[in-house]
This record gives sequence, structure tokens and C-alpha cells, in this order.
Amino acid sequence: SQQGEEDPQALSIQEGENATMNCSYKTSINNLQWYRQNSGRGLVHLILIRSNEREKHSGRLRVTLDTSKKSSSLLITASRAADTASYFCATLTQGGSEKLVFGKGTKLTVNP
Amino acid sequence: GEEVAQTPKHLVRGEGQKAKLYCAPIKGHSYVFWYQQVLKNEFKFLISFQNENVFDETGMPKERFSAKCLPNSPCSLEIQATKLEDSAVYFCASSQIPGETQYFGPGTRLLVL
Repeated sequence: SQQGEEDPQALSIQEGENATMNCSYKTSINNLQWYRQNSGRGLVHLILIRSNEREKHSGRLRVTLDTSKKSSSLLITASRAADTASYFCATLTQGGSEKLVFGKGTKLTVNP
Repeated sequence: GEEVAQTPKHLVRGEGQKAKLYCAPIKGHSYVFWYQQVLKNEFKFLISFQNENVFDETGMPKERFSAKCLPNSPCSLEIQATKLEDSAVYFCASSQIPGETQYFGPGTRLLVL
């Protein structure tokens, strides 16, 4: 079953604007990972944030994690047309199994 | 290799036929995972391996799905007697350390007619 829920389901912005996507989950986690999927392609790993971290940066990406609210956000600054893709959060739950539980994704469109 | 490789890219099967998908994990990665993506969004975990041993198979519909990871061979996912609802993209991922980043292959798109 899907644990993560991304919000919004779809987002359309202009090039240069910032894009924020949110993810909520239900159970305690070890870490949370964000992935990007271009249309018809595989998943590209963007960033991993551990349960004891609150914020992480990678280039134009900023991820926050609030374990008390069981939520995470992904911010893409100064977006480009090439950022157009679907973005998924995936959680690794506590308890031994190493499988990722994915949300349903946010479809981001960046208009030139 | 440096990337997870999956073959074939596309597979078309008539309902009831067998389908077999292959995955070569990144060299040195001990953990292999299979996921099914239906309708371009929902991902479902199927099975994972630690080397050739099944690690977690809680997502597998066992009556028709089977998987193996044998030494010196690509991992495989086999669906006996495919059904229409098996149409999906099947992704393989590998990781070096359990619980860390999983690296995904490009997927195999299965269409059951």
C-alpha cells in the first residue's frame, strides 16, 4: 500500500520560479528519499534525508523533514524546463524490511 | 556495471503466456529489489534479494510470480500465465548497503493483450 502522499498532484510553473512539493507519510521511518521520473523513463535518485536530519541541500534542491508531522518537502529553486518530470517521495520504514514505499507523485511542468 | 541494466525494454504477451524479465544490478551491490509501476504513478514493491537469498517477498503474488537471483547470472522475474492487470512497468533497483540509496534501472514495459 502507498504510504506517502504527495501534494500537489500536479504543478505548472514558469521557468525561473521555485517549485515546492510536499509529501506526507504514516509510519516511523529510517529515511526518506526523493526521486525524479522523466516521462517513460526510470527513476533518478535526487536526495536522501535521514530521520535525524531536518534539512538537506543538493544544488538547486532543498529537502526538509518534519518527523513530528510525518511530512517532507522538496523545493526546486530557479526551475528550468528540464526539471519537467514527476517527483516521488519514498520512505524506508523502521522495522527491518528495506523496501521503499512510494507516494503517488507530483507531476511538475516547467514552462519555458 | 555502473548502472542497473534491465532487459527487455518492452515485452508484449497474450493473456495466459509467460513473461520473463531480467535485471543486472550494479557491480558490488548485494541487494536487489523489484517494483511494479502501474498507470505511471503507483509503485508496488514485489520482492527483494540479498545476494541469491530472498530478503522480503511480501509483495509477490506467489501463485503466478516468481523471482531468482543466482550467482554470476542476471536476476529474473517470471510471470506465469499473465493477466491483463499485469500490464505495467517493472523496475529493478540495487543497493550496496541495506536501507541506503536504491539505484533504479530503466524498467521493462510489459503489455498483456
